[in-house]
Amino acid sequence: EAQVTQNPRYLITVTGKKLTVTCSQNMNHEYMSWYRQDPGLGLRQIYYSMNVEVTDKGDVPEGYKVSRKEKRNFPLILESPSPNQTSLYFCASSLKGLPGGTLYNEQFFGPGTRLTVL
Amino acid sequence: SQQGEEDPQALSIQEGENATMNCSYKTSINNLQWYRQNSGRGLVHLILIRSNEREKHSGRLRVTLDTSKKSSSLLITASRAADTASYFCATDAQKRDDKIIFGKGTRLHILP
Repeated sequence: EAQVTQNPRYLITVTGKKLTVTCSQNMNHEYMSWYRQDPGLGLRQIYYSMNVEVTDKGDVPEGYKVSRKEKRNFPLILESPSPNQTSLYFCASSLKGLPGGTLYNEQFFGPGTRLTVL
Repeated sequence: SQQGEEDPQALSIQEGENATMNCSYKTSINNLQWYRQNSGRGLVHLILIRSNEREKHSGRLRVTLDTSKKSSSLLITASRAADTASYFCATDAQKRDDKIIFGKGTRLHILP
């Protein structure tokens, strides 16, 4: 089954404790992206990747890191989480993106990771 | 940066009626997409409409795009209880530095 998976689905952690949220897709998609969703603010793009070893900042990259060593995986790293990073996180992938981060095709979303930072 | 804004923020209609949601944006776009999100779940893609298209259909969904007004509408005909969800538009701009921007969504509630 074609899908985007995220782990963990739920995470409660404390300020400053490094964490990684994994994202994997099995559709051979080139484009992958991370979003956070907060009440009243909608979805905001954190980072995106056009292809392996190519990543770029979205709207709200501060406090996050990403890497794209393999085509299927795009982990989101919080080196020192803070309470303002408490949010619902979504990973998404798309068949192809265009230079500049624009999308040519629909995005497929993972089920989400609900993160609470105390 | 640009932003897609959905209107209305919330909408309640009777089952069987049509639901119309609107999205406005600020700068020129390559394409506009509509997504649905059931409570707390991932987004599901509904329709992508490109900047050179004016209307697109998919089942009970009809999307229009007016680039002169920088707006789009999503029409759901003959609504069903299962259509209860939040609906988002997402735009990706022609300018290199702009990113994919989602609106804040319209919460649609279908009354039995």
